[in-house]
Amino acid sequence: DTAVSQTPKYLVTQMGNDKSIKCEQNLGHDTMYWYKQDSKKFLKIMFSYNNKELIINETVPNRFSPKSPDKAHLNLHINSLELGDSAVYFCASSQGVVAFFGQGTRLTVV
Amino acid sequence: AQSVTQPDIHITVSEGASLELRCNYSYGATPYLFWYVQSPGQGLQLLLKYFSGDTLVQGIKGFEAEFKRSQSSFNLRKPSVHWSDAAEYFCAVADYGGSQGNLIFGKGTKLSVKP
Repeated sequence: DTAVSQTPKYLVTQMGNDKSIKCEQNLGHDTMYWYKQDSKKFLKIMFSYNNKELIINETVPNRFSPKSPDKAHLNLHINSLELGDSAVYFCASSQGVVAFFGQGTRLTVV
Repeated sequence: AQSVTQPDIHITVSEGASLELRCNYSYGATPYLFWYVQSPGQGLQLLLKYFSGDTLVQGIKGFEAEFKRSQSSFNLRKPSVHWSDAAEYFCAVADYGGSQGNLIFGKGTKLSVKP
């Protein structure tokens, strides 16, 4: 009964590939987020969606495209992967300001 | 601009000793403050939050934090640390723009516990 679940947990891929990370929440929250945690453990928001609409889009390369088919899902698609995209990506959801996070997806680009 | 500073990158305490992790924030309005913990290879778990009211808030796993507006601080404390508390701890403030907020995180403090 995981509240916020992401798949896959680990993703190793070559430079130039396109990959997707999926996120689902069963908390009934209206808002979902993607955060990136870099190699120094620093966490920064990438996107925020509310009821399937994009609310926040931080300075992120346009190779990153979030897609929200419904308010329980927020997927992250990344085109033309680069070495610098290697990081842990966290999905989160909230109703208001209290955010609940998924387990993270460790993306390694080789 | 809003920001969160965790001055200590790494702290080591002995099991059973008390713990205080420091957090300072910069935010124009009344802050919504949080502490999250990340165990190795795990996601982020909410320890506690402060919105308003009593400035001493209790959280899970025996943690507490005190909000001090005059010092712009929200330090996390635990009276007696257990080996299982070894993890990375993140302080965050909600950037409550619009009708939803995103979180601005500090850079984290890694806690090591020695036997």
